[in-house]
Amino acid sequence: GAVVSQHPSRVICKSGTSVKIECRSLDFQATTMFWYRQFPKKSLMLMATSNEGSKATYEQGVEKDKFLINHASLTLSTLTVTSAHPEDSSFYICSAKMGPSGQPQHFGDGTRLSIL
Amino acid sequence: SQQGEEDPQALSIQEGENATMNCSYKTSINNLQWYRQNSGRGLVHLILIRSNEREKHSGRLRVTLDTSKKSSSLLITASRAADTASYFCATDAQGTYKYIFGTGTRLKVLA
Repeated sequence: GAVVSQHPSRVICKSGTSVKIECRSLDFQATTMFWYRQFPKKSLMLMATSNEGSKATYEQGVEKDKFLINHASLTLSTLTVTSAHPEDSSFYICSAKMGPSGQPQHFGDGTRLSIL
Repeated sequence: SQQGEEDPQALSIQEGENATMNCSYKTSINNLQWYRQNSGRGLVHLILIRSNEREKHSGRLRVTLDTSKKSSSLLITASRAADTASYFCATDAQGTYKYIFGTGTRLKVLA
């Protein structure tokens, strides 16, 4: 149980393109979803937290107009990287959590984004 | 930065040996979790230990928590080549909804 599906797994596109990444909880309702960015051999950096039906809460330094997050239902959150540039190339990972504090996060398999 | 620190950053051992990784954090917590990440993949939840617990076991995993020292350790006994991965601790800071991840330990188990 507690499966999170992230799609696509890899994207290669030209500079200026907008890219949408989907994160779905397949067998549970996620009260909260998180979006992380991870650089090679580094830890996860939290970008934003989203709760279903409300605006995402972004971490300091993360541009909300650059990284658009929508959490329209209890099983789906999307991250759109708008007008992507080479410096946006990274590994993006989502996670979903059910219930209150003290529950583990369940992670998707990540999206490798490469902007040429 | 609130990010936790893990040591060692990298660990290489022979199959069958035990592997110990340590995690230190900075704020009071509700719980601490350990995750595993295979290269290029998402994270897999291994074990959660609450702030009022001192030790927890799950199969070949043993986790300890010392809240007075703000530290935790993960012990993998009788390691296997398949245990090769990066291991991260994550803390659920009191008063926040966020999880703060440690810097990670890259474990390599040699067959």
